[in-house]
Amino acid sequence: EAGVTQFPSHSVIEKGQTVTLRCDPISGHDNLYWYRRVMGKEIKFLLHFVKESKQDESGMPNNRFLAERTGGTYSTLKVQPAELEDSGVYFCASSRRDRGKAGANVLTFGAGSRLTVL
Amino acid sequence: LAKTTQPISMDSYEGQEVNITCSHNNIATNDYITWYQQFPSQGPRFIIQGYKTKVTNEVASLFIPADRKSSTLSLPRVSLSDTAVYYCLVGVFTNAGKSTFGDGTTLTVKP
Repeated sequence: EAGVTQFPSHSVIEKGQTVTLRCDPISGHDNLYWYRRVMGKEIKFLLHFVKESKQDESGMPNNRFLAERTGGTYSTLKVQPAELEDSGVYFCASSRRDRGKAGANVLTFGAGSRLTVL
Repeated sequence: LAKTTQPISMDSYEGQEVNITCSHNNIATNDYITWYQQFPSQGPRFIIQGYKTKVTNEVASLFIPADRKSSTLSLPRVSLSDTAVYYCLVGVFTNAGKSTFGDGTTLTVKP
């Protein structure tokens, strides 16, 4: 099966501009997650979709970040307006629904989108 | 939050067995333990997952003691291509916000 695809692989924008990152999960995966690593620090959770619904968005840093997953397929993460501290790598991951084993989800990650804000 | 603690880095030589231990003292009853591997410019990749005792697959083994407050990833006969960052992740993925990756362990395999 095709893996998780993220686009663009690298984006360079100026402070105040808008950037939209896209994630195409594995077909049939209901769960979709966004994570990010900023300033070389640890990978941190941003939010979790189950199909088109936001299950958990407790990791979203502020209202400059907007994630959508229309139709429960691909997802976009928009940063508007971008700030210097938003620079980092944004990862998307997807997984199937649990198959009767709570907690047994296995995430498949994309290669990430590197965002550089100047 | 299920916080994890791992060694920052480890060195090994080709052909050796490598054991990386992760501490997770506040693991919850419903939490699973999952290990991921990450190469530069790639996303993390699943290695192995377990709940208790021992799990083995074609690439690694995972040892979990009875109290589940730690776990050990064992990589048999490592090669240069096993040089990567290894993350221990504890949590229930139906509530992924409760899981964090931590800093990971950078394993360097030398010839």
